[in-house]
Amino acid sequence: EDKVVQSPLSLVVHEGDTVTLNCSYEVTNFRSLLWYKQEKKAPTFLFMLTSSGIEKKSGRLSSILDKKELFSILNITATQTGDSAVYLCAVHETYKYIFGTGTRLKVLA
Amino acid sequence: EAGVAQSPRYKIIEKRQSVAFWCNPISGHATLYWYQQILGQGPKLLIQFQNNGVVDDSQLPKDRFSAERLKGVDSTLKIQPAKLEDSAVYLCASSRTGALRYTFGSGTRLTVV
Repeated sequence: EDKVVQSPLSLVVHEGDTVTLNCSYEVTNFRSLLWYKQEKKAPTFLFMLTSSGIEKKSGRLSSILDKKELFSILNITATQTGDSAVYLCAVHETYKYIFGTGTRLKVLA
Repeated sequence: EAGVAQSPRYKIIEKRQSVAFWCNPISGHATLYWYQQILGQGPKLLIQFQNNGVVDDSQLPKDRFSAERLKGVDSTLKIQPAKLEDSAVYLCASSRTGALRYTFGSGTRLTVV
């Protein structure tokens, strides 16, 4: 059965800390892996990864994919309270997304 | 471009009542998805349309859930009768055919009491 597993399930840090969120997957027909940030209801797109070893960066956020070991990490440096959200990992398998349960990040001032 | 529109934003109903949600995808997006996200879980695909045809509805509880996209544009998702465990956020997403990246709507939060 296809699955996407995220860890940790929740995380509390202080502003300025660096966090690493993990996503491992087992799917039959991998097309891409995506990270979304969900603050209230609508997930908003962060990154899409299709190739191993190529880091994607956007400001303080970065992500990388390892297709051999079947995982991805999302790094957030110098965290801010505005980074508090649920971070969802989704794997695009054939024609649909399979989501993990998400990591709930809370950043304390 | 305008985003994916969903309504209503919130709905509270009693169990055994019926409810309907509406979604209007981004113009030109032939693929439309309905996801159910129960509190503390990741979104789960309920149904995927390509134009007005169903691609995947394997996880749609067909005894109580139904969805349609008659003209290949907007879509409605209906629950009849609702159960307590249907309390969730219902997310609609759309994409161009074959695209790897979806755009999500703001969702409808359903509470069944």
